[in-house]
Amino acid sequence: GQNIDQPTEMTATEGAIVQINCTYQTSGFNGLFWYQQHAGEAPTFLSYNVLDGLEEKGRFSSFLSRSKGYSYLLLKELQMKDSASYLCAVRDLNDKIIFGKGTRLHILP
Amino acid sequence: EPEVTQTPSHQVTQMGQEVILRCVPISNHLYFYWYRQILGQKVEFLVSFYNNEISEKSEIFDDQFSVERPDGSNFTLKIRSTKLEDSAMYFCASFLSGGGAADTQYFGPGTRLTVL
Repeated sequence: GQNIDQPTEMTATEGAIVQINCTYQTSGFNGLFWYQQHAGEAPTFLSYNVLDGLEEKGRFSSFLSRSKGYSYLLLKELQMKDSASYLCAVRDLNDKIIFGKGTRLHILP
Repeated sequence: EPEVTQTPSHQVTQMGQEVILRCVPISNHLYFYWYRQILGQKVEFLVSFYNNEISEKSEIFDDQFSVERPDGSNFTLKIRSTKLEDSAMYFCASFLSGGGAADTQYFGPGTRLTVL
């Protein structure tokens, strides 16, 4: 079957670093997305990893290990506006996108 | 900044009625998607569309659903006979998969569908 696992909730402090993990089991793999979603809004694209390794975009970085079925999203220098849900999603070989349930990140001052 | 647009922002309909949700994706993107999100739940994939045909569809996307890209710009989702459980936020997205830093995906703001 297809399964995407990520923690339901995490809490971190403003200015700190947080890592949100995602593990997946899918029948095929063509890439992994990370999105940010604030309550009541549409998801916002953060990253798309196809190859193993770390990709950095400003304060956000995303890592992929295809052999381990594992990815993480790293957020640095946390700001209050980073309080949101973070969604991990896998794109399979037929262009079906399977979403995890999302991780709600709470930032404390 | 390019954007995906969706209309209407909110649609209220009676059970059994047909609805058409409209989307205008980013013009140079190649892959188009419809998703739905029931309040408080995760985003669910409905259908992907590439090269003017459906690439993949989920179990949710049954015979009551159809998609079209009639004129090269609009991308529509039709639900022929709505059910109460179709009430959700429907998101359209477009994706440019060019490799590496060029990979970007944009979501529209969504259409909230309420079936009474």
